Amino acid sequence: QSALTQPRSVSGSPGQSVTISCTGTSSDVGAFDYVSWYQQHPGKAPKLMIYDVSKRPSGVPDRFSASKSGNTASLTISGLQAEDEADYYCCSYAGSYTYVFGTGTKVTVL
Amino acid sequence: EVQLVESGGGLVQPGGSLRLSCAASGFTFSRCDMNWVRQAPGKGLEWVSYISSTGSTVYYADSVKGRFTISRDNAKNAVYLQMNSLRAEDTAVYYCARVWAVEYYFDYWGQGNLVTVSS
Repeated sequence: QSALTQPRSVSGSPGQSVTISCTGTSSDVGAFDYVSWYQQHPGKAPKLMIYDVSKRPSGVPDRFSASKSGNTASLTISGLQAEDEADYYCCSYAGSYTYVFGTGTKVTVL
Repeated sequence: EVQLVESGGGLVQPGGSLRLSCAASGFTFSRCDMNWVRQAPGKGLEWVSYISSTGSTVYYADSVKGRFTISRDNAKNAVYLQMNSLRAEDTAVYYCARVWAVEYYFDYWGQGNLVTVSS
């Protein structure tokens, strides 16, 4: 399976909003409402930020929101903060208990 | 507190074998499906393998199929990844990751364990 396509990088000033797209196919993103998003700081393990397209786990700030339309999912970070600077990966269930990750996006807080 | 702790990584020559372990604690291990996810240096995440809560069902990424074997021991709260015929492109940090019950996302991850395949 091919990786989902994400922009290599996005940036914004503190307080601004940024949106990361995640484009897959009708066999993964388009087929299931099981898109999740992970934040990864350098040298750290990924952290779950969004699951089931738009649900936030307990403890994740409501500045993080997400949605899906067709074969493309999106993550929006509103009110950007310095600690949001990290790599972000989308992930989609692809059937038969297999998963495909996105290529990853580096978020820079200017 | 949920904890996943990987071990068993290190340096291995091409063609060699290595067995990774992931010790789980803080939750009912036998209720969770488990996965291995890897990340090559400077690269993105790649799903590697899945095992069901009972161990009866396993799946692999095409890149490791036929070379890697996932298994688990619910009595020991552990999941394993036996890696054979290792290649340079298998060099990565390997994470074990939990999928709770009938969900489809990784809610807890281990700290990662580096496997380096080099002569």
